[in-house]
Amino acid sequence: DIVLTQSPTTLSVTPGETVSLSCRASHSIGTNLHWYQQKTNESPRLLIKYASQSISGIPSRFSASGSGTDFTLNINNVEFDDVSSYFCQQTQSWPRTFGGGTKLELK
Amino acid sequence: EVQLVESGGGLVQPGRSLKLSCVASGFTFSNYGMNWIRQAPGKGLEWVAYISSGSSYIYYAETVKGRFTISRDNAKNTLYLQMTSLRSEDTALYYCARHGGADYWGQGVMVTVSS
Repeated sequence: DIVLTQSPTTLSVTPGETVSLSCRASHSIGTNLHWYQQKTNESPRLLIKYASQSISGIPSRFSASGSGTDFTLNINNVEFDDVSSYFCQQTQSWPRTFGGGTKLELK
Repeated sequence: EVQLVESGGGLVQPGRSLKLSCVASGFTFSNYGMNWIRQAPGKGLEWVAYISSGSSYIYYAETVKGRFTISRDNAKNTLYLQMTSLRSEDTALYYCARHGGADYWGQGVMVTVSS
């Protein structure tokens, strides 16, 4: 199985900062990596698909990059509304796997 | 508007069975593969099962293989998850989600396995 390791586990930031969240795969997955945002008591929401492709309706301050084994989700000018957990998921192979998540908190 | 609405959850004793349903609307259900994904309380996301649009391809997580069965009825726009031999570790919020990079999710249905 492909293991996805997200770091950091928790990130505490000041509104207005730019942050980078990491997702590393145990094997190369090309660009078959997707990012999700999950707010407390809500269903996950797709933020970025296929490593860097934007999703309609998602604010432009969310961007992502990467391929192979190293992937990054960037959030520019973090806002209070961005307080959430962020998960990556690979769809390169079965079983599909998720990273353990990064929890974004605001100072 | 795309909607996925799960139902069928509840409290069940270990070893018993439960069947979840997910009714889809707002898109052509028969054109999309579908997933079940679960989340134990306070934990991360765990992919459970996938079924292709025409039911030709089905995949399971090892943790549920042999116990859970995913199926769909395209005429009824409904996805199912038959869960048998339930264990305490199956306690979770179960989501149905559309497609590979899951672009739409239901609100989830809670399954609690406890005596």
